[in-house]
Amino acid sequence: ILNVEQSPQSLHVQEGDSTNFTCSFPSSNFYALHWYRWETAKSPEALFVMTLNGDEKKKGRISATLNTKEGYSYLYIKGSQPEDSATYLCAFYNFNKFYFGSGTKLNVKP
Amino acid sequence: KAGVTQTPRYLIKTRGQQVTLSCSPISGHRSVSWYQQTPGQGLQFLFEYFSETQRNKGNFPGRFSGRQFSNSRSEMNVSTLELGDSALYLCASSLDIGSSTDTQYFGPGTRLTVL
Repeated sequence: ILNVEQSPQSLHVQEGDSTNFTCSFPSSNFYALHWYRWETAKSPEALFVMTLNGDEKKKGRISATLNTKEGYSYLYIKGSQPEDSATYLCAFYNFNKFYFGSGTKLNVKP
Repeated sequence: KAGVTQTPRYLIKTRGQQVTLSCSPISGHRSVSWYQQTPGQGLQFLFEYFSETQRNKGNFPGRFSGRQFSNSRSEMNVSTLELGDSALYLCASSLDIGSSTDTQYFGPGTRLTVL
């Protein structure tokens, strides 16, 4: 069983703060890492698919980086807004399966 | 384009009963995966179906089974329910999960409570 870890488990920030969280995964046999945002009472929604070491993806105020050699990915949110409050999941792809971390729950206070 | 739908949304069963959950993928998607989420755990992979064949299976007991129909709709079945089966069950569809970059689209989930 592959181990995918996310930290921190939860995060409380003020509106306007920038924040980041980490996803750690096995550094061998890397194929892809996916990030999802999961808002309460909704379905998980895909944010990024990352495949190459050094990849950097951006979507509005959210960006992600990838280091496959050391086995981690960072997700950054610049100037957090209350609507960014959600659980952020990463999923490591390996042999036709996704291994999910337990997520980082972000709460942005107005 | 309609999203992934799951029925029912909520279900209450008692220990020992069995349950069937249904998932309708996005039109044109041939791969359907099922996940279980319990408090404090990440999404745990149950199984994946592609073109009516189970292609992958997670580490769950044989009480958990599934199938996929020719229209790509999928069902999962849990027999002899246990209290620990209480969870949110999510299904996700994609064009083909065999591609590492293929995006999965999730349904809203079925919340199963076992009493």
